Amino acid sequence: AQKITQTQPGMFVQEKEAVTLDCTYDTSDPSYGLFWYKQPSSGEMIFLIYQGSYDQQNATEGRYSLNFQKARKSANLVISASQLGDSAMYFCAMRAPNFGNEKLTFGTGTRLTIIP
Amino acid sequence: EAQVTQNPRYLITVTGKKLTVTCSQNMNHEYMSWYRQDPGLGLRQIYYSMNVEVTDKGDVPEGYKVSRKEKRNFPLILESPSPNQTSLYFCASGQLAGGNEQFFGPGTRLTVL
Repeated sequence: AQKITQTQPGMFVQEKEAVTLDCTYDTSDPSYGLFWYKQPSSGEMIFLIYQGSYDQQNATEGRYSLNFQKARKSANLVISASQLGDSAMYFCAMRAPNFGNEKLTFGTGTRLTIIP
Repeated sequence: EAQVTQNPRYLITVTGKKLTVTCSQNMNHEYMSWYRQDPGLGLRQIYYSMNVEVTDKGDVPEGYKVSRKEKRNFPLILESPSPNQTSLYFCASGQLAGGNEQFFGPGTRLTVL
């Protein structure tokens, strides 16, 4: 069974600072994918970034990067130069092969608050 | 613009009154899925579909039905809603076989009285 652990229920970060959101995962499958989503107070789930288990390079998308440490089973999200609009819940999720079901297993999330 | 749309976004209904939440995607994705999000329980999968006319149960399918008659649409049907189905519902779509994207709709906040 897959499991995602996010150990930071909440974080407060000064505007313009970089922030790292922690995510560790557990799976016995050699092939898996890791996703990060942002959920603002309005409720929608916004896809941020993806990392495949066989990808050699860490994924980057604009201000978002994923610090993938496979041996440690860690997939931390790094947001550079944080902005007030980054205040939201952030979820780490994992997909592992399951006979065509691309189900995502989510962590409990981290609530990020950016302070002006 | 690539997107997943859901309707309605908000719905208040009464116990036993059948309802349908629609979901549509314009990315030609084979895979679609429904989740519900509840405080303390996170997101749980209700049903999923790998292609037209191919659907299967997720982790919490009781009380729900789905259909996939067209590739772009995947409606969620509550034949006889009950208060324990009050939740935030998300439709998602993505590529099969390890695709690197899975997009969610904006969510439908359902209250069953």
